[in-house]
Order: sequence, then C-alpha cells, then structure tokens
Amino acid sequence: DAMVIQNPRYQVTQFGKPVTLSCSQTLNHNVMYWYQQKSSQAPKLLFHYYDKDFNNEADTPDNFQSRRPNTSFCFLDIRSPGLGDAAMYLCATSRDQQGGTDTQYFGPGTRLTVL
Amino acid sequence: AQSVTQPDIHITVSEGASLELRCNYSYGATPYLFWYVQSPGQGLQLLLKYFSGDTLVQGIKGFEAEFKRSQSSFNLRKPSVHWSDAAEYFCAVAFFGNEKLTFGTGTRLTIIP
Repeated sequence: DAMVIQNPRYQVTQFGKPVTLSCSQTLNHNVMYWYQQKSSQAPKLLFHYYDKDFNNEADTPDNFQSRRPNTSFCFLDIRSPGLGDAAMYLCATSRDQQGGTDTQYFGPGTRLTVL
Repeated sequence: AQSVTQPDIHITVSEGASLELRCNYSYGATPYLFWYVQSPGQGLQLLLKYFSGDTLVQGIKGFEAEFKRSQSSFNLRKPSVHWSDAAEYFCAVAFFGNEKLTFGTGTRLTIIP
C-alpha cells in the first residue's frame, strides 16, 4: 500500500544534542508537511515543501530546519533540542497545493523525548 | 485569521449510543472543512471533508457531518458507536489561497461498555 512512513517511531535525545527525524512517502505527492503536536494539543504546522520550494511558518523557531533531497524523502532537523521540543512530530503529504484543500495523508508520527 | 473551536475536550459515550462532536469555525469566506481521527500513538486519518455541494457529508467508518453556514458549524455524527471509535477527533479548516490547515484542539472520545 502507498504510505507515509516515519522513522524512527520513538526517538530519545539529550538536551542540546542534534536530532534528525525522517519521513518517506510512496504516494509521489508534490507537497510534504511537518507538524509538531504537543500532548493534548492540536497539530501545529512547522513548514512544508511544495516540490523543492520550502515554506516556513512565521512562528517556527530557527532551531527547526528541514531538507527534502528528493520527492520521496523529507527530514526534520532539530539543531539543539530543548525540553520544550518534546512532542509528537507528524509528517503529511498532499498531491498538490490547492489552497490547503487537497487531502493530507499523515504518517504515524515520531514521538521525541528530550532528556 | 481562521480558527476552529471544538468546545468539548472529552466526551464519554456508551457503546451503541449515538454520538455528536461539535465544531465551529471562524472565517469570513466559505471554508473547506475536515474531520480527522487519531488513535493513541498514531497519525491522523481523514474521516470526511466538505468543499461544496450537499451539506451532509458521508465519511468512512459510518461517520457523517453536516455543514451549517448559519451556525458556522460542522458537527460530526455517528448513529451507533463501537468500542473501536475511542480516539481523539480533530476538526480542521482551510480555504482556497492558503495552504495552511488549521486544527481545532480536539475532542477525546471514550467508549464505555
């Protein structure tokens, strides 16, 4: 089945130690999104790629970066994780960028713990 | 700015009973509305969406939702819940010209035998 895959499912890192989360998709979608979801809160969009074009949300901290080397893969880099960055990180894809109305397909998420 | 309100943080329903989860949105133009479900430790799955046309939308797993413009609402309903419906439910809104999907804070659904 075509899917959105996130690795690892659980990631533990130390305060200040860089960490990279991975997302891959077999849907061949143009758009890939990264969301942060803290406990009992709504998912919050960090940034998205439309093909190779990167779109950062205005309130996303500089500590968060992203790379998309090809259509299938997208990475979330947290340069210096703080305790407040502990959260579930969700990757999503959509076929096209039609004003947000195109259905987004979500991966299972990576739960990040910061010690 | 667009916003979504889910007034019920937590709802408990008996198995077999009917369900209605509330969602209200705030925006001037006609929104595009979505309901997603999130099982514990999992990503979000789309239940249904409304773009235009018939205001009563059918989704997966026996869910439906009705768009009421006069009330700025898009409530989710199911006539008879199953224990497997226990999850977190998120309402979301978008609109043409803005790629951002804005989520409500979610409603946690508990099913009791």
